[in-house]
Amino acid sequence: GAGVSQSPSNKVTEKGKDVELRCDPISGHTALYWYRQSLGQGLEFLIYFQGNSAPDKSGLPSDRFSAERTGGSVSTLTIQRTQQEDSAVYLCASSLSRGPTYEQYFGPGTRLTVT
Amino acid sequence: ILNVEQSPQSLHVQEGDSTNFTCSFPSSNFYALHWYRWETAKSPEALFVMTLNGDEKKKGRISATLNTKEGYSYLYIKGSQPEDSATYLCAFPDFNKFYFGSGTKLNVKP
Repeated sequence: GAGVSQSPSNKVTEKGKDVELRCDPISGHTALYWYRQSLGQGLEFLIYFQGNSAPDKSGLPSDRFSAERTGGSVSTLTIQRTQQEDSAVYLCASSLSRGPTYEQYFGPGTRLTVT
Repeated sequence: ILNVEQSPQSLHVQEGDSTNFTCSFPSSNFYALHWYRWETAKSPEALFVMTLNGDEKKKGRISATLNTKEGYSYLYIKGSQPEDSATYLCAFPDFNKFYFGSGTKLNVKP
């Protein structure tokens, strides 16, 4: 079946511009996660959605970052007024349900470069 | 923020060598420990989900052990092959929020 997809695969933007990154999770997966990997760093948790519950936004690094998930499926991560330190690979993952024992299925990522 | 550490950071082995690497995590409030393999230009892929009451996990030439009391997990690869070259990540969930280590980058030379 179809896996997690993300778009765009690459995005180059100028400092100060807004960007939107999209994630399509696996159909039927209720949990959705966003991570980012900056150069030389590990995967950093950003935000987590579970069904219609309020998302866990505790990993968002600043108020320039926001995310939504429409209809319990597609998710969009928006970064406003991008800065060079936002350059990273942004990964989306989904899992069948929330909880620590459910494996996550990752998308291919969006490589964001802020010039 | 929970501290999840992996060592070594990188590893170069010859085809046929067996190898292992470590993931260290907090020894309190254990729910599970995940291992993922991330090949270049691909998505991270789950290898194992290790739980409190689980035994050693095995998938082909790859196996993993868990010590929750002391807070570490070992990943073993027997008879490494070039296709095993990847970054191996471990993740420690604080219930719903996952904390990843920085990974061990394995390069297997033919």
